[in-house]
Amino acid sequence: GAGVSQSPSNKVTEKGKDVELRCDPISGHTALYWYRQSLGQGLEFLIYFQGNSAPDKSGLPSDRFSAERTGGSVSTLTIQRTQQEDSAVYLCASSLAVGVSNQPQHFGDGTRLSIL
Amino acid sequence: QQPVQSPQAVILREGEDAVINCSSSKALYSVHWYRQKHGEAPVFLMILLKGGEQKGHEKISASFNEKKQQSSLYLTASQLSYSGTYFCGTERYSNTGKLIFGQGTTLQVKP
Repeated sequence: GAGVSQSPSNKVTEKGKDVELRCDPISGHTALYWYRQSLGQGLEFLIYFQGNSAPDKSGLPSDRFSAERTGGSVSTLTIQRTQQEDSAVYLCASSLAVGVSNQPQHFGDGTRLSIL
Repeated sequence: QQPVQSPQAVILREGEDAVINCSSSKALYSVHWYRQKHGEAPVFLMILLKGGEQKGHEKISASFNEKKQQSSLYLTASQLSYSGTYFCGTERYSNTGKLIFGQGTTLQVKP
């Protein structure tokens, strides 16, 4: 597609349930990033993937959070046993390459996650 | 490690100028600037690499002072369309692509 695509756009679930958020990056982009944005707050780095290298998971807030990227394209962020503090907008971004620092990140519209 | 942005919020009249600062306590390789309108995705504005260069985009320009580890975003002759939240994202090491974003500066331009 023309841009980064995220699904679902909205997700409401009960506390304790697991959720999966999907990101489809721009075709040809080798780097993919996940961020979390709480209401009125900045962008909190979660994880990024670059090509076939091991992902940088240093921003994941707890072991309930995990992400994978299959085939170097689509990525799924999974949150297990969701808590109310997980409520936020989860943004995905992709860039043409990691290894060249002047590459902009292109963001999707995000998934708004609400935990009841 | 999170960069500090100032001011947190600013209100302007159309045609007025504004400066948004982004400061880090750590040495930086690059600074990225994004603008986010309410309910929308952040949109890329520009990147400044180590070396103190200055860049421009429409009537928006920025500089990067390597010695101070500070970047400034300059908005001149502001337009209504400039309203939104501006984020700086800092990259500490070259070739990582990993950005740590500031908390944002909300800009409101009034007619």
